[in-house]
Amino acid sequence: DQQVKQNSPSLSVQEGRISILNCDYTNSMFDYFLWYKKYPAEGPTFLISISSIKDKNEDGRFTVFLNKSAKHLSLHIVPSQPGDSAVYFCAATVSGGYQKVTFGTGTKLQVIP
Amino acid sequence: DTGVSQNPRHKITKRGQNVTFRCDPISEHNRLYWYRQTLGQGPEFLTYFQNEAQLEKSRLLSDRFSAERPKGSFSTLEIQRTEQGDSAMYLCASSLGQTQYFGPGTRLLVL
Repeated sequence: DQQVKQNSPSLSVQEGRISILNCDYTNSMFDYFLWYKKYPAEGPTFLISISSIKDKNEDGRFTVFLNKSAKHLSLHIVPSQPGDSAVYFCAATVSGGYQKVTFGTGTKLQVIP
Repeated sequence: DTGVSQNPRHKITKRGQNVTFRCDPISEHNRLYWYRQTLGQGPEFLTYFQNEAQLEKSRLLSDRFSAERPKGSFSTLEIQRTEQGDSAMYLCASSLGQTQYFGPGTRLLVL
């Protein structure tokens, strides 16, 4: 069963505009959420995270929003830059345990100059 | 560079051969994870070490797979009698807290 879902396999955005990547989860035990960025032939790079006690976390151009009641989170990138073009993975974990991370299937973002 | 390193970066082998991959975590990280990623999917958890103890294994880790972390430092992942279905990117990650940091991965191709 896919506990973390990214229903949009791809997204194209103009440079300078906002990119919004969405993620849904089904496991209510998840309490820590992460976004990773991945370039081809490289490992995932940590971008930003959020704990379930918050509903928003911001780091520079990146903001993650968490809606616990809807079991939904989103990553906003403003303004989008061509270097942001990559595959973005949403991930979730249960803190306090072994903290294995469950990943979504990824969304490929293309930022068009 | 103080990130997670993995060797080799690429491995091509014939079906039935054994392969071994190495992961060197970030030095102060006591937790180490192995994941496998296939095309179009996100990374899938394989196993977890806290220091030298292997504390959890996924059902994806068949008896042909074995992982070790002697002395709680680097880790090795061995696949015996490789099958074509083992072709994937094998990723290692390490952590001290809640955020895991990944290495570049080892891409395995079984012919």
